[in-house]
Amino acid sequence: DAGVTQSPTHLIKTRGQQVTLRCSPKSGHDTVSWYQQALGQGPQFIFQYYEEEERQRGNFPDRFSGHQFPNYSSELNVNALLLGDSALYLCASSPGTGGGEQYFGPGTRLTVT
Amino acid sequence: AQSVAQPEDQVNVAEGNPLTVKCTYSVSGNPYLFWYVQYPNRGLQFLLKYITGDNLVKGSYGFEAEFNKSQTSFHLKKPSALVSDSALYFCAVRDRIKAAGNKLTFGGGTRVLVKP
Repeated sequence: DAGVTQSPTHLIKTRGQQVTLRCSPKSGHDTVSWYQQALGQGPQFIFQYYEEEERQRGNFPDRFSGHQFPNYSSELNVNALLLGDSALYLCASSPGTGGGEQYFGPGTRLTVT
Repeated sequence: AQSVAQPEDQVNVAEGNPLTVKCTYSVSGNPYLFWYVQYPNRGLQFLLKYITGDNLVKGSYGFEAEFNKSQTSFHLKKPSALVSDSALYFCAVRDRIKAAGNKLTFGGGTRVLVKP
């Protein structure tokens, strides 16, 4: 049983560019959440997708957007990249929006130069 | 608003000694509480959770945590630490209120170093 997978593993972009990160949830999970983890800090919630809709959003600007597909996989898009967007981006999946734990992928390391 | 505090940036312990990682939280309602561990260049790995019931929760790899509502704490413990327990540990909270959704709020993390 594959866990949460993310691609790519690493990414280097230039300020002002756009980036798309991808996530496939754990088998049987239909809810995907995205988190940003800056160096030396705890993960910060970006947003959550369920039934192909954004259900909840953290304190992130509109430059951060996402999508969920019918197979529950998800994309995170970031436009007009800033140096401060450099971070580890983590995808987490769970079965529904109940009280269960979220399972995290290995993350995508984004470096903005 | 919900928040989590992990007051220690780093905890050093000798192998075989007890390990405690502290966590306090703040939520408007009743909490769901979680502990995750992160190894270098890896994602977060679930250790244990408190949902309801017994205040002492047992999790993976011999870890346990005690929920204390009056002190709003959820400290992580292991009776006998191993060198392989050296990693970054995160406490997280989620409000039970349905409107809060599935959002996890994490603490800043505590680095655990277990010395042989």
